[in-house]
Amino acid sequence: RKEVEQDPGPFNVPEGATVAFNCTYSNSASQSFFWYRQDCRKEPKLLMSVYSSGNEDGRFTAQLNRASQYISLLIRDSKLSDSATYLCVVGDTLSGTYKYIFGTGTRLKVLA
Amino acid sequence: SQTIHQWPATLVQPVGSPLSLECTVEGTSNPNLYWYRQAAGRGLQLLFYSVGIGQISSEVPQNLSASRPQDRQFILSSKKLLLSDSGFYLCAWNPDRLYGYTFGSGTRLTVV
Repeated sequence: RKEVEQDPGPFNVPEGATVAFNCTYSNSASQSFFWYRQDCRKEPKLLMSVYSSGNEDGRFTAQLNRASQYISLLIRDSKLSDSATYLCVVGDTLSGTYKYIFGTGTRLKVLA
Repeated sequence: SQTIHQWPATLVQPVGSPLSLECTVEGTSNPNLYWYRQAAGRGLQLLFYSVGIGQISSEVPQNLSASRPQDRQFILSSKKLLLSDSGFYLCAWNPDRLYGYTFGSGTRLTVV
């Protein structure tokens, strides 16, 4: 089982739609969780951290389910500019060192 | 403010040629620094990380090496490039484990 797994997509949604992505992780002791956004041929950029109680930033809502070991990202009222690849990232202490493990990403296309 | 610089942006190199990619961080001291590679259509793979000057940890055996000659400088090198070294190379630093990585703008390397 991969350490961090995501559905690669693509998710093709019309403008204004609500779309949700899930990401599962294998280590129950994982300590931090993030969603990154990566535009084509660009570096990943932090979209939001994911907190145990869930958190919201405008149209974006992130949630963590430790019991089932998954995190989710919900995007409401999708915009054309939301088209990108969304990377799930999990922070673990591995071999005594804190490291981030990236999922392979979920591609989102918002259609006019 | 803290910034991370990476260069060059793109590079085309013949097989067997050497490689040197540089990354510098400004506005902080003793950062944890990382080199990642993203092959076409694949996730980010951690190559090296460094917690201080002269301290390098390698994640995967390969044709590459890293060095940290100064506190805020991280260099990725190869003596002889292989075709399989092609990819998008990203330098990152981690100001705090709660806030994830900040990435440099990346170097797109094509080995021909």
